[in-house]
Amino acid sequence: DTAVSQTPKYLVTQMGNDKSIKCEQNLGHDTMYWYKQDSKKFLKIMFSYNNKELIINETVPNRFSPKSPDKAHLNLHINSLELGDSAVYFCASSHPGERITDTQYFGPGTRLTVL
Amino acid sequence: KQEVTQIPAALSVPEGENLVLNCSFTDSAIYNLQWFRQDPGKGLTSLLLIQSSQREQTSGRLNASLDKSSGRSTLYIAASQPGDSATYLCAPAASGNTGKLIFGQGTTLQVKP
Repeated sequence: DTAVSQTPKYLVTQMGNDKSIKCEQNLGHDTMYWYKQDSKKFLKIMFSYNNKELIINETVPNRFSPKSPDKAHLNLHINSLELGDSAVYFCASSHPGERITDTQYFGPGTRLTVL
Repeated sequence: KQEVTQIPAALSVPEGENLVLNCSFTDSAIYNLQWFRQDPGKGLTSLLLIQSSQREQTSGRLNASLDKSSGRSTLYIAASQPGDSATYLCAPAASGNTGKLIFGQGTTLQVKP
């Protein structure tokens, strides 16, 4: 069973389009995250949600809108895609506050290519 | 603003060597620190997590140490194997238990048979 899953794995689209990436975790965690890994492999946090509430928003353009319908899902919607949005997007989850499960578990990533 | 530096950026060794990967961070007010490995085209796998009150953690051939006051962590890999080839990422978590990880750019390790 995949603990953190993302769909799609690859996404190729034209500039200006709107797209969504879905993330689901079956670990029972209450915190989920989105990270972006750019072409230089630098990984940076974008958002985090705890129990469906936004707790981290790292100066990300408002074209990016996370949506958490429930604790197990955190989707990322991107409007008006730009060339610079091309990257690998990773979803992760954790259960902060409990020592054993502070660990963040990452999904396999979604490679977004904007043409 | 937390900045994380990992040295060396790349490392190539013959199988069987013991290795030390270094991580330094500028803000010592961290909640914990995680070491991850990333295989090409794959997601991140957590290797070890050290709480801010701990000095080290061990898992199999891996040992991670933390010196919070000096802003340093090391990952020690004993008896390296070709399967250890990957990029190793250090990520201290910001204080306040938000789960916010700040990543270094990683050390890419190649272990030759």
